[in-house]
Amino acid sequence: EAGVTQFPSHSVIEKGQTVTLRCDPISGHDNLYWYRRVMGKEIKFLLHFVKESKQDESGMPNNRFLAERTGGTYSTLKVQPAELEDSGVYFCASSPSYRSSEQYFGPGTRLTVT
Amino acid sequence: GDSVTQMEGPVTLSEEACLTINCTYTATGYPSLFWYVQYPGEGLQLLLKATKADDKGSNKGFEATYRKETTSFHLEKGSVQVSDSAVYFCALSGGTSYGKLTFGQGTILTVHP
Repeated sequence: EAGVTQFPSHSVIEKGQTVTLRCDPISGHDNLYWYRRVMGKEIKFLLHFVKESKQDESGMPNNRFLAERTGGTYSTLKVQPAELEDSGVYFCASSPSYRSSEQYFGPGTRLTVT
Repeated sequence: GDSVTQMEGPVTLSEEACLTINCTYTATGYPSLFWYVQYPGEGLQLLLKATKADDKGSNKGFEATYRKETTSFHLEKGSVQVSDSAVYFCALSGGTSYGKLTFGQGTILTVHP
């Protein structure tokens, strides 16, 4: 069974540009989560999808971030326009149920905004 | 809201030394507690978990006990190996963080031969 995959693994963009991160969860997992780790700090929750619906987006930092999960399969996280403080590692995780005690993480996308 | 506090790192040990990484939490209700590990170049992996008070999670020689009275979930290993070098994250779900994980800041462990 394939794990959670993320693309790209690393992205370097200039301030003001747009970047789109993609996450493919484990097949059949309805729950998809985005997290971010900035500059060696704690990993912080961004949002949670159940199928194609946003269950909780309380962690989204501002309206420059847009997450979608069309069809309830893969998800994208777009940052537009990117700012320097958006640099960090973006993790995606999936689980079969929100009651599941385990989330399966992807390898992360390292975003560098210069 | 919920929060997790881990001991400051980095931690550097010699092979076969004992390891303890402290983790305390603040949460309402009865959260589940986790330790995740990130090896160099890889994603986060669940190392162990405990879902109720006094439960002990264990895996790969690591152990952690859910202590509700001290709100702690310290990670321990009796004899570390070079291959244990990684970043370790304590996390919780439940409480007011239903579904999502709340993480500590991570502890870098380096084990020398």
